[in-house]
This record gives sequence, C-alpha cells and structure tokens, in this order.
Amino acid sequence: DAKTTQPNSMESNEEEPVHLPCNHSTISGTDYIHWYRQLPSQGPEYVIHGLTSNVNNRMASLAIAEDRKSSTLILHRATLRDAAVYYCILRDPGANSKLTFGKGITLSVRP
Amino acid sequence: EPEVTQTPSHQVTQMGQEVILRCVPISNHLYFYWYRQILGQKVEFLVSFYNNEISEKSEIFDDQFSVERPDGSNFTLKIRSTKLEDSAMYFCASSLGQLANYGYTFGSGTRLTVV
Repeated sequence: DAKTTQPNSMESNEEEPVHLPCNHSTISGTDYIHWYRQLPSQGPEYVIHGLTSNVNNRMASLAIAEDRKSSTLILHRATLRDAAVYYCILRDPGANSKLTFGKGITLSVRP
Repeated sequence: EPEVTQTPSHQVTQMGQEVILRCVPISNHLYFYWYRQILGQKVEFLVSFYNNEISEKSEIFDDQFSVERPDGSNFTLKIRSTKLEDSAMYFCASSLGQLANYGYTFGSGTRLTVV
C-alpha cells in the first residue's frame, strides 16, 4: 500500500470544526482513502472512506484534493469524545488489500 | 449497531502457557482478521481468514499462532506457548467484503499479559 504522511498531533477546541490533513503523494489512481480512529483503550473504529469525490457521513466529511495527493478529514463540531488517534490509510483495490496502520495523528480536544 | 465481541477483555497467563482469544464477528461478515498492538506502538496485522482458510499472514504470525472458526459464529486466535513479548492488545475485526471499498469493524480487544 502507498504511504501516507500525517502530522504527529493536533489540538482543537470543543464545539469547533477540526481539519485533519493527510498527504499521499504516491497514491495510485485506484487506491481508496480510508480513515479510522482509535479512542483511548479501544479498538480502531471506521470513520469514512472515499475514492475521488468528497464524502459525508454522520461522523465526518472527507475532502479529497483534485489531484488526490492529499485529503482532509473534517469533524464539523469537535467533542471531548473525539479525542483519539486518527489514521489515514490507503488501500489498493486488489483482492488481498488489508488495512495497514501507521502512527496516525493524535487529536486533543480542549473543553 | 452490530458489534464485534471479544472475550476475555483481559487475560493474564504464565510464560509457556497456551491461550485462546475469542471473537464473535458480525453475523453476515465473511472476512475475519486479527491485529495486535503492543503498548505505545502501531496496530499490526497478524492474519486474515476467509472461507475457513488463512488468506494472508504476517511475519509475526509464526507457528506458535493459529486461528480457527470452530462454528458459525466464533473466530479464535490461539497462541501455543506464550512469550513475554506476546503481551499486547489483540483486536479482532470483520468485514463484509475484502475489497478496498469495504470497511472493517473492530472489537474492543483483549489485553494479554504474559508474566
């Protein structure tokens, strides 16, 4: 799987929007962009994924750059419960494409 | 919302003992996985399982590890002779499909402590 680059950490204020960036300059044309998060002492949790178009779901929005070399996970209104490690992961469309985790970005939310 | 259930939540075992970690994947999912996370480190892939066979395994998944789906609901990870370095959180996951447009659902994990 192609690599992603994320900042180590980010801080936000409660009830404000959060934009978590991810660079993936070596992405191939068919790689999917997945985001997962891991709350303290929990297993990873699926957040959202996309291929080319921006995506929205009840948890977050995913904005994908036109050249697909970067993407941004948007939490519209951060809560204390959103404090977690967020992982940006590329998955190729091959039959044996598994989820491979990097270090992720640690999001802290200030009350 | 459907969940992946793992038991026990915490297991303490003596070095050299066998342990079995249990998972109940989401009922209509077809692909099953084990991952582990040593304290302070990345979540690492161990093995994937489909149609009663191992699809892929990592270098970590050596002869001391085995997986089984003994019935229609459980998915187990066995470590035959535990070592101190096997101490970690073990996460089970399941997925409806294997392709990249499917997400995984993870369980809350089993904390394995080898003493």
